[in-house]
Amino acid sequence: GENVEQHPSTLSVQEGDSAVIKCTYSDSASNYFPWYKQELGKGPQLIIDIRSNVGEKKDQRIAVTLNKTAKHFSLHITETQPEDSAVYFCAASIGNYGQNFVFGPGTRLSVLP
Amino acid sequence: KAGVTQTPRYLIKTRGQQVTLSCSPISGHRSVSWYQQTPGQGLQFLFEYFSETQRNKGNFPGRFSGRQFSNSRSEMNVSTLELGDSALYLCASSPRGPTSGVYEQYFGPGTRLTVT
Repeated sequence: GENVEQHPSTLSVQEGDSAVIKCTYSDSASNYFPWYKQELGKGPQLIIDIRSNVGEKKDQRIAVTLNKTAKHFSLHITETQPEDSAVYFCAASIGNYGQNFVFGPGTRLSVLP
Repeated sequence: KAGVTQTPRYLIKTRGQQVTLSCSPISGHRSVSWYQQTPGQGLQFLFEYFSETQRNKGNFPGRFSGRQFSNSRSEMNVSTLELGDSALYLCASSPRGPTSGVYEQYFGPGTRLTVT
């Protein structure tokens, strides 16, 4: 079945620096890759997503890139702020029908002021 | 639009009991998925309901079940609770339609279940 790996498990950056989180997936049939941000005591919040027919997508300070051949996708956060501190999860869809996703184990991002 | 709501937010139960959790999706969303989140196993898919029918199911024992009502609200039930069932149970809704394709999904705040 699908397996999603995520690195690093923890990441500390200085405010204003960039942060990059990388994920790999195993199922070549996966075609939708969302990223979620989870703050303490809250549910995961969808922050950006990308489909397999697109190589890159950007939304203000957040961007996601996808390399289908290598089965890699990455989250890039520029000009980090303390409020970016949270756990970030990547996910990959299973198949092309229905809402069935496999999630990575998460990355705890700390932005130091 | 109001987001996904889940009730109750916190629950304490004893081993052997059963529990029912409730989820109201975003207005207009007909797909509801349930996930279990634990520190050890992370986020794991339980099942998805669309138009009152279970469409997908994860790898969980039959003690975990769910249903969806005609207004798209969903409930999940866990019978004969075990200590290992302690987790954050998350509900997610999606604007998915009846045809193939994968859609974005939006999570609720979760129900924290503690089994003692």
